[in-house]
Amino acid sequence: DTAVSQTPKYLVTQMGNDKSIKCEQNLGHDTMYWYKQDSKKFLKIMFSYNNKELIINETVPNRFSPKSPDKAHLNLHINSLELGDSAVYFCASSQPEQTQYFGPGTRLTVL
Amino acid sequence: EDQVTQSPEALRLQEGESSSLNCSYTVSGLRGLFWYRQDPGKGPEFLFTLYSAGEEKEKERLKATLTKKESFLHITAPKPEDSATYLCAAASGGYQKVTFGTGTKLQVIP
Repeated sequence: DTAVSQTPKYLVTQMGNDKSIKCEQNLGHDTMYWYKQDSKKFLKIMFSYNNKELIINETVPNRFSPKSPDKAHLNLHINSLELGDSAVYFCASSQPEQTQYFGPGTRLTVL
Repeated sequence: EDQVTQSPEALRLQEGESSSLNCSYTVSGLRGLFWYRQDPGKGPEFLFTLYSAGEEKEKERLKATLTKKESFLHITAPKPEDSATYLCAAASGGYQKVTFGTGTKLQVIP
């Protein structure tokens, strides 16, 4: 069973388009996260949700909008994609104040 | 601002050649220090969590230790399958706020 899953695994799109990445966890965790990993492999937190409530928003452009329909899902919608948005996006989940478990990542390429 | 620095950036070892990876951290109120392994094209895989200075944890050929300023990941007699990028992360305030280092890319040559 996959603990944290993301779709799609690869996403190639043109500048200016709008796209979404979906994340689901079956670990029963209360907290979910989105991270961005750049070409130098640096992982930076973007958002954190606890029980569907936004906890962390780390100065991410408002073109990025997370949505948590329920505790097990945290989706990321990106408007007006830019070249600099190209990266690998990871979803993670945890219980509050516990170890985070990561999904397999979504490689976004903006042309 | 919380900071996590890992060294070296890359490490090449012969199979069986033991070594250590370093993670220096500056955070206000450390709540936990994490080590992850990341293989190419995959998400970080959890290895260890350390909570307080002096704590040690082991798993197979890996041993993680923690002091008040840094953590070490010791690799004993590594094998080629240990080749990966090892990430260190520190949690401060609440666990929701985790700062990652840039990783050490380990290559173990047969």
